[in-house]
Amino acid sequence: GAGVSQTPSNKVTEKGKYVELRCDPISGHTALYWYRQSLGQGPEFLIYFQGTGAADDSGLPNDRFFAVRPEGSVSTLKIQRTERGDSAVYLCASSPWTGADEQFFGPGTRLTVL
Amino acid sequence: GDSVTQMEGPVTLSEEAFLTINCTYTATGYPSLFWYVQYPGEGLQLLLKATKADDKGSNKGFEATYRKETTSFHLEKGSVQVSDSAVYFCALMGDTGRRALTFGSGTRLQVQP
Repeated sequence: GAGVSQTPSNKVTEKGKYVELRCDPISGHTALYWYRQSLGQGPEFLIYFQGTGAADDSGLPNDRFFAVRPEGSVSTLKIQRTERGDSAVYLCASSPWTGADEQFFGPGTRLTVL
Repeated sequence: GDSVTQMEGPVTLSEEAFLTINCTYTATGYPSLFWYVQYPGEGLQLLLKATKADDKGSNKGFEATYRKETTSFHLEKGSVQVSDSAVYFCALMGDTGRRALTFGSGTRLQVQP
């Protein structure tokens, strides 16, 4: 079956621009997570959705970052006024339900801010 | 807050050598512990897990035992193969109901034929 997919796989933008990163979770998975992975580091949690609502957004670094999941499936991570420090791989993961231990990760979107 | 510390890499071994990658954690209560693996060009995937003290997780010849007394979850394999070359991440999920994973910084394993 299809795994978690993320688009685009690579995104290059200029400082100050707005970007959107998309995540398609595994069909039927109700929980969705966003993480950010900087070079040489492990992933860091950003936000978690249960259904359509953000159950935990405590990892978002500031108000330039925002994420939505309007129909409880696809999610979009939005970054305003990008900065060079936002350059990283953004990972999406999904789980079949809130209490499930395993998170299934997508291949990530590599964001480069010039 | 929760944190995970794992040994720095790269770890370079010859095929059939014994592998240990150390992982220790800081967390309140009884977190669940995980090892994720990232093969070249692929996404993170769960390798094994343990959800309570003294549990042993195992998969593909890899093992790790949840040691509450030493707050450790070291990854071991008796005989590594070239195909095990990857980056390994230790992670925890706290028992407070928060669903976020906290990851270590990863350890790159290189196995030479």
